[in-house]
Amino acid sequence: AQSVTQPDIHITVSEGASLELRCNYSYGATPYLFWYVQSPGQGLQLLLKYFSGDTLVQGIKGFEAEFKRSQSSFNLRKPSVHWSDAAEYFCAVDPPRGTASKLTFGTGTRLQVTL
Amino acid sequence: DAMVIQNPRYQVTQFGKPVTLSCSQTLNHNVMYWYQQKSSQAPKLLFHYYDKDFNNEADTPDNFQSRRPNTSFCFLDIRSPGLGDAAMYLCATSRDLQETQYFGPGTRLLVL
Repeated sequence: AQSVTQPDIHITVSEGASLELRCNYSYGATPYLFWYVQSPGQGLQLLLKYFSGDTLVQGIKGFEAEFKRSQSSFNLRKPSVHWSDAAEYFCAVDPPRGTASKLTFGTGTRLQVTL
Repeated sequence: DAMVIQNPRYQVTQFGKPVTLSCSQTLNHNVMYWYQQKSSQAPKLLFHYYDKDFNNEADTPDNFQSRRPNTSFCFLDIRSPGLGDAAMYLCATSRDLQETQYFGPGTRLLVL
């Protein structure tokens, strides 16, 4: 069964500092990979996704993520964090086409930004 | 412009009193999903509709039902809510299976 691990439950960074949120997945083949962000009391907003091709993907709000097949990782990065980035971040995977679809989420990483 | 709309945003119900949550979409997507998200946890898929075909997750309690009368609307019915059903309920849509899912703002359910 596929699984997603976000090893960091809570991260605190200073505004203007760089950010990296870790995500590792376990699946036989390369799944589709997503990062979503959730502000308190809100739904999930898609930041970026990887289906195939260039392993460095750009998303909204200045975020990017890099897919590393050898490490089964899809880490999210931002060079300079803004206070408005404080939220919960979820990594998610979906099996590739031809298999039963089921979006599986990691447990999330809560980002706190200090001024 | 809102694409996935959930009403109401907050719902209070009593223990055992049936409640219905609503989701609508303007994307004309084929697939609609319902997730349950408890506090500080990841969203958990309850079921999804691919067009009119209903697909229930194996571990979704019988207490949870869903209806999709047309492409735009999908409802989540909780027949007899228990205290453990208090959660955020998220609706999502995708054009097809294994395509990007777009989420609504969620309905937070409180069971008294």
